[in-house]
Amino acid sequence: DGGITQSPKYLFRKEGQNVTLSCEQNLNHDAMYWYRQDPGQGLRLIYYSQIVNDFQKGDIAEGYSVSREKKESFPLTVTSAQKNPTAFYLCASSMQARGNQPQHFGDGTRLSIL
Amino acid sequence: SQQGEEDPQALSIQEGENATMNCSYKTSINNLQWYRQNSGRGLVHLILIRSNEREKHSGRLRVTLDTSKKSSSLLITASRAADTASYFCATDGVETSGSRLTFGEGTQLTVNP
Repeated sequence: DGGITQSPKYLFRKEGQNVTLSCEQNLNHDAMYWYRQDPGQGLRLIYYSQIVNDFQKGDIAEGYSVSREKKESFPLTVTSAQKNPTAFYLCASSMQARGNQPQHFGDGTRLSIL
Repeated sequence: SQQGEEDPQALSIQEGENATMNCSYKTSINNLQWYRQNSGRGLVHLILIRSNEREKHSGRLRVTLDTSKKSSSLLITASRAADTASYFCATDGVETSGSRLTFGEGTQLTVNP
């Protein structure tokens, strides 16, 4: 089945540690996105990529980094500079980065501080 | 900043009743989408309505769009317990050239059996 796989489902970060969240898609989509969701709130865009080897900052990029070396993969690194990383992280993809196309989501990674 | 704002924040109804959720937004849009999120899961796309459309149906879902009032509504008819979820609107703003969506804060719908 085609879809988006996020791993791990749960992740714990120690102080001063960088952690990387994995996102893989087999939908052959060009565009991929990372969102952060805090309890009872909507999604805020961290980074998005319209095509391989290209990405743009979203609304809350500080303390995060991404890479897009392969079409299928868009990993997100939460750096030690992100002082409040506890949240639910969602990865999504769409055929192209256009608002007239639906986004397909993974089932998220829940990140907590140890 | 969040483009869309859903109203109400939470809604509790009995099975078989209709549920209406509203979304307001601030700037001009190309399209508006509605998504559903079950607890602890990712979002699932429900329906897309273009700025030149006024109403759209999909099964038990009916979406309306009023660009003059910058608002949209999602109606779920004959609700079921399985419809319990959070519902989000997402807008594709003209100012971002359609490259990204901006999500509202959602309506938590509870359908009691």
